[in-house]
This record gives sequence, structure tokens and C-alpha cells, in this order.
Amino acid sequence: DTEVTQTPKHLVMGMTNKKSLKCEQHMGHRAMYWYKQKAKKPPELMFVYSYEKLSINESVPSRFSPECPNSSLLNLHLHALQPEDSALYLCASSNPRRQETQYFGPGTRLLVL
Amino acid sequence: AQSVTQLGSHVSVSEGALVLLRCNYSSSVPPYLFWYVQYPNQGLQLLLKYTSAATLVKGINGFEAEFKKSETSFHLTKPSAHMSDAAEYFCAVSESGNAGNMLTFGGGTRLMVKP
Repeated sequence: DTEVTQTPKHLVMGMTNKKSLKCEQHMGHRAMYWYKQKAKKPPELMFVYSYEKLSINESVPSRFSPECPNSSLLNLHLHALQPEDSALYLCASSNPRRQETQYFGPGTRLLVL
Repeated sequence: AQSVTQLGSHVSVSEGALVLLRCNYSSSVPPYLFWYVQYPNQGLQLLLKYTSAATLVKGINGFEAEFKKSETSFHLTKPSAHMSDAAEYFCAVSESGNAGNMLTFGGGTRLMVKP
């Protein structure tokens, strides 16, 4: 099974709301990733967890807070977002070596009003 | 730092025609290269990858790509386009490091297939 699941599929939130995105994989991968993708652009890396520890934060604003409760789960907590944060948020997982394939989830489409 | 350039943000072909999507990379180390496809409102799906074995790599849905070190290229081809191939295609190179497998993506190429 090469499936990465993400919930919810769609999310609309106001700038004062707190919400969370969830990602799950059962492939035994020890690296998990959050990407942000704007329309007609490639995915931009936000965070990397390797062996459940945050290893990369690509200078993401603190209104985005990642969490990796265990090796299968990855959350992204959202608070006080801005309209420009509206995007498709993609989760991916892989084994943490250069030649390994990253498997992507279907994404959460976020709209910030 | 590694980088990827995809020539042509939009490519249009007729159904049944050859598909050629271009990807050039720069890397200071032997590269690992990937092609992903993204259908509207979906995540990315791996088409194929080069990991220093055979230079001609076959992938899913009839796609293949050839790694040419002398040209620093990894172009994606398919002999005969199908309407279902219409999508966004991303070429990516894997960066070295211990913090997971970090991908650097090209800007993407939107493939349009005309009936």
C-alpha cells in the first residue's frame, strides 16, 4: 500500500480561527513532509520530520505549527492565518535517503477568509 | 545547490502524437531525478525515477525518460499522447542530506492534449 491520506479535503477558515490538518501513512516511512502549493506553481517545502524529529523548517511563519505524534502521523496546526496562506497543502512521506520516492497525499485545499 | 529547469511551461500536442517534456538539472553530485504528474485537485504521483542504474527509465502509463549526463538532461517522452495524459508534470532532483529526502522541483509543464 503506497497511500498517504490527508484530512480534511477542503477547509475554510477565518483569520482568527485555529484548525489542524492531518496526514497519515502506513508504509513504515521515517520521513514526512509538509508542502505548500499555490496555483500553477510547484510545491514549496515547509517542514521535514525525520525519525519523528523536526529536521527542516524552511523559514515558515510561526502561525504554522507542525507536530509528529508518531511515525505514522503528521499534523499541521494553523492559527491566525492570512488570506495569502490560501493554497493546497500537501503531505508526503518517504524513507530518508536521497534515492527514495516521496509519496504524496491528495492534499488539503485551504481557503482563508 | 541543485536546481531544475523545465523548458516550456505549456506544451500542447494532438492525441496520438509524441509527447516530449524537457528537464535540465544542475547538481554538484550524481543526481537522483524524478518525474511526477499532478492531475487537477490531486496530489503528485510518481511517473518514474533515475537512481544511477539504467539511463533509460521506463515508468507508468507508457512514459519513459533518458538520463544524459553530458547534457544534464532528463527529458520525459511518450510515443503516443492520450487525452488522459493532460496534466501538470514536474521534474525534481533529490538533494543530499540526512534530514530526509529533499526534492527541488522545476517550475512544471502543463501538458494539453487536443482531440
